[in-house]
Amino acid sequence: SQTIHQWPATLVQPVGSPLSLECTVEGTSNPNLYWYRQAAGRGLQLLFYSVGIGQISSEVPQNLSASRPQDRQFILSSKKLLLSDSGFYLCAWSKAGGGSTFGQFFGPGTRLTVL
Amino acid sequence: SQELEQSPQSLIVQEGKNLTINCTSSKTLYGLYWYKQKYGEGLIFLMMLQKGGEEKSHEKITAKLDEKKQQSSLHITASQPSHAGIYLCGASDITGSARQLTFGSGTQLTVLP
Repeated sequence: SQTIHQWPATLVQPVGSPLSLECTVEGTSNPNLYWYRQAAGRGLQLLFYSVGIGQISSEVPQNLSASRPQDRQFILSSKKLLLSDSGFYLCAWSKAGGGSTFGQFFGPGTRLTVL
Repeated sequence: SQELEQSPQSLIVQEGKNLTINCTSSKTLYGLYWYKQKYGEGLIFLMMLQKGGEEKSHEKITAKLDEKKQQSSLHITASQPSHAGIYLCGASDITGSARQLTFGSGTQLTVLP
């Protein structure tokens, strides 16, 4: 069966510090991978998605970047965090290809607080 | 771009009561995914609807897709405290696949024992 991991679970960082959040998927190959941010009381905002190693699409201009160094690893980074980067970050995967209706499956999330 | 509006934004019900959550799209629905989220946790996939008039059930949760109204409803029968959480709907693009989903802002459900 497939599993998705995220770490850390919680993070408190000062403004201006760097960020690295990691997501890994097990039990599947060549998944589509996603990073979302969820602000309090709001829906999910898609930040990045990837259909393969080194292939990253950015949905919104921001202070963040993403990388996919390995097939089942997705990393969210920032060089200098802003207060507005605080939120709940979720990683998700879906089956490879564009026709799957299997759904997107989410990790447990990382709560980021920027002070 | 597609927008999803969920109603109500929050709901408090007594245990044992039935309830309905709606998800209305600004554009044609090609695929609609329902998720449940407990506070501070990831989303749990509930079910996916693709065809107009389609209805799916899982335990006491039933979801329907009304293609003409560009709307989906999620109905919970005889609610239990375990049903509490945030329910989110996600709409696919024209492919109907899960490749790209647009999400509603969620409905917070509280079930009082």
